[in-house]
Amino acid sequence: EVQLLESGGGLVQPGGSLRLSCVASGFVFRNTYMDWVRQAPGKGLEWVANIGPDGRDINHVDSVKGRFTISRDNAKNLLYLQMSSLRVEDTAVYYCIAAIIGTGGRFYLDSWGQGTLVTVSS
Amino acid sequence: IQLTQSPSSLSASVGDRVTITCRASQGIVSHLAWYQQKPGKAPDLLIYGASILQSGVPSRFSGSGSGTDFTLTISSLQPEDFATYYCQHLNSIPMIFGQGTRLEIK
Repeated sequence: EVQLLESGGGLVQPGGSLRLSCVASGFVFRNTYMDWVRQAPGKGLEWVANIGPDGRDINHVDSVKGRFTISRDNAKNLLYLQMSSLRVEDTAVYYCIAAIIGTGGRFYLDSWGQGTLVTVSS
Repeated sequence: IQLTQSPSSLSASVGDRVTITCRASQGIVSHLAWYQQKPGKAPDLLIYGASILQSGVPSRFSGSGSGTDFTLTISSLQPEDFATYYCQHLNSIPMIFGQGTRLEIK
């Protein structure tokens, strides 16, 4: 059974930093694309970033480029999202996702963690 | 690439057939997924590759389309289907989501 458990969320002041972690189990982590998606309170889903199996293919949405960095430790089955220069508008539940299912050259977001809440407020 | 979902909300009854549409601002082949989200829960993948039913998803759900126009159809609504539905394209970065369709009980 695929399990993804996020941690590291909490309350932070504008301009501050946080590092989210996600521990994965139940699948071959080192072979899997991993993503972060966020959802602001009462709002829709926003794709944030993804990282390829070996960590070389890395992508971020424009709104977080230069502030957030996705990374992974395949030896420990861990996914990270380092967030700095946080803004009020970054307040959201952040989901860790394993993109295991692939077709047509794409890997779909099929396994989601329960999410961790990040609140940016003074 | 932008995705436009319609309608943004929908009221329907148990047993109804419901269709939600997702239009892409440019062609995305079949690189589209549909998700269901219930309050307080993470989304669940329903359909990928525009029309492939995810394992364990009831057969009353179906997806179709390619290029720019896509649909999610629920053939006979069940009580557990009242939720919010999102499309997402995976054609290029960023892999954005549609704005969501809230399906409510009439």
